[in-house]
Amino acid sequence: NAGVTQTPKFRVLKTGQSMTLLCAQDMNHEYMYWYRQDPGMGLRLIHYSVGEGTTAKGEVPDGYNVSRLKKQNFLLGLESAAPSQTSVYFCASSSRDQPQHFGDGTRLSIL
Amino acid sequence: EDKVVQSPLSLVVHEGDTVTLNCSYEVTNFRSLLWYKQEKKAPTFLFMLTSSGIEKKSGRLSSILDKKELFSILNITATQTGDSAVYLCAGGNAGGTSYGKLTFGQGTILTVHP
Repeated sequence: NAGVTQTPKFRVLKTGQSMTLLCAQDMNHEYMYWYRQDPGMGLRLIHYSVGEGTTAKGEVPDGYNVSRLKKQNFLLGLESAAPSQTSVYFCASSSRDQPQHFGDGTRLSIL
Repeated sequence: EDKVVQSPLSLVVHEGDTVTLNCSYEVTNFRSLLWYKQEKKAPTFLFMLTSSGIEKKSGRLSSILDKKELFSILNITATQTGDSAVYLCAGGNAGGTSYGKLTFGQGTILTVHP
């Protein structure tokens, strides 16, 4: 009964380092999303995917890349981390008849 | 640019009170309005509304959508301390999926004191 699993849960990076956040879902959902949540700003969409091998930009895509090589996984990459990317990152998945279901988030701090 | 605005941003009440949370939206190709509850971690789904004037209920929670005035409300009656959370409203567009891309509001922080 895992649902959406995000790895890692916490991470501290130095400015300029790179890292990849992993999202895995076991509900066979077609659609997957990456959001960031900052105080007072709700959830903002970074990138999303409507199927394996396809991705699209959301509201705040700059500084991030994504890949969806397998239907169940959606990876979010930071090539050169900046302090402005300090945030809580949420992954979500959905299907045509299910609302978006969220993971527990990854808290990322960039020093 | 799509926009969702929630009010109030925070609310403090006592157990047993009734609260009303507001959400106004401007979403291109609007399809649905969703409410989520966020405690410490993942937002959890409460309601999805697509038609005006039809109330959805789940226990002490209810919600309604007005597509003419572009707003929705979430009511919580007989509040309990377990209702303390951030309540998020989101507008969904067509976007090629049934729910499409969601634009979230800032959230309303509800605190219920015993």
